[in-house]
Amino acid sequence: EVQLVESGGGLVQPGGSLRLSCAASGFTFSSFDMHWVRQATGKGLEWVSGIDTAGDTYYPGSVKGRFTISRENAKKSLYLQMNSLRVGDTAVYYCARAYGDVWGEGTTVTVAS
Amino acid sequence: DIQMTQSPSAMSASVGDRVTITCRASQGISNYLAWFQQKPGKVPKRLIYAASSLQSGVPSRFSGSGSGTEFTLTISSLQPEDFATYYCLQHKSYPWTFGQGTKVEIK
Repeated sequence: EVQLVESGGGLVQPGGSLRLSCAASGFTFSSFDMHWVRQATGKGLEWVSGIDTAGDTYYPGSVKGRFTISRENAKKSLYLQMNSLRVGDTAVYYCARAYGDVWGEGTTVTVAS
Repeated sequence: DIQMTQSPSAMSASVGDRVTITCRASQGISNYLAWFQQKPGKVPKRLIYAASSLQSGVPSRFSGSGSGTEFTLTISSLQPEDFATYYCLQHKSYPWTFGQGTKVEIK
């Protein structure tokens, strides 16, 4: 079964850091681009970062310079290092495969003092 | 960045109605567009990819059309399980951008 499972969410103070992980199973992880998408409570979907099979990375302006996406193909894992976190980064963070055909259940990040 | 303008933002419809949701891109994106359905508390589910290709397992009452800057998602006969929020996503160029969503509610 194709599956993505996120972990690493939690409560962090503004200015703090958090590292999210996404464990993939049931498919050849190294062959797919991967992405992080977030959703604040009651709000829409926001694409947060992407990494292609060559390891090239992409970000929107809202997180560029603060978030770093990476992958470890041998471990079939995707990561999101989030630094300088802001209250506005509070959301459920999903990892998604390629063009969104497979999503994880999400992990909740809360930035609050 | 490419802006995706989705309309309407919300709508009320009855079971059996034909429903059309539109997404407009601020510049041409060819057919690099997907549609997602999200129910409350659930993970988004892809319905349509490449603007008009139906995702495996998705009922045929869902269809997508368009190319360039204007796209539509059509539900030919709305069913009770279709009440949800729908989003478009452009993946022509980074940063990827979603439409703001269309909430389809029961009339």
